[in-house]
Amino acid sequence: AQSVTQPDIHITVSEGASLELRCNYSYGATPYLFWYVQSPGQGLQLLLKYFSGDTLVQGIKGFEAEFKRSQSSFNLRKPSVHWSDAAEYFCAVGALNFGNEKLTFGTGTRLTIIP
Amino acid sequence: EAGVTQFPSHSVIEKGQTVTLRCDPISGHDNLYWYRRVMGKEIKFLLHFVKESKQDESGMPNNRFLAERTGGTYSTLKVQPAELEDSGVYFCASSQGEQVLFNTEAFFGQGTRLTVV
Repeated sequence: AQSVTQPDIHITVSEGASLELRCNYSYGATPYLFWYVQSPGQGLQLLLKYFSGDTLVQGIKGFEAEFKRSQSSFNLRKPSVHWSDAAEYFCAVGALNFGNEKLTFGTGTRLTIIP
Repeated sequence: EAGVTQFPSHSVIEKGQTVTLRCDPISGHDNLYWYRRVMGKEIKFLLHFVKESKQDESGMPNNRFLAERTGGTYSTLKVQPAELEDSGVYFCASSQGEQVLFNTEAFFGQGTRLTVV
């Protein structure tokens, strides 16, 4: 069965600093990987996804993630964070059994931005 | 276009009572999913509807949970009787078409926070 580990429960960074959120996955086949963000009072929003091809994936809001098969990782990065990036971030792996799709999420990383 | 809407946003009930959560997916979306996040833990899959049919209900924790999607539009998730461990945030998501992970995005609602006391 697939699983996702987000080792950092809470991260605090200064506005303008760079950010990297870690994600490790376990999956027996080629993974379908996702990052979602939940801002306060909002639903989960898809930031980016990886299925195949280029291992560096660009997403919305200036985020990117890099798939590293050898490390089973899919870390999320942003070169310069903004106060509006304060939210909770979830990494997920998708299991595809044709017609039967579901996401397995990590426990999330809460991001706090300080001025 | 309206997004996925969930009602209520918060619910506080006593152990043993019944609660019904509702999800209105995006119009035209055949796929509807329920997920749950227990405090501090991961978001876990509960079940997946395709139109009015349950495609996968392998994540439903026990028979106190009943999900319906009559007519293939909105869905309800009933918990009866509620237990303390049912507390958490219940998310609904919808998507269009088949092979959702390949072709389309699953849009999530803001969640219903359920507290059982």
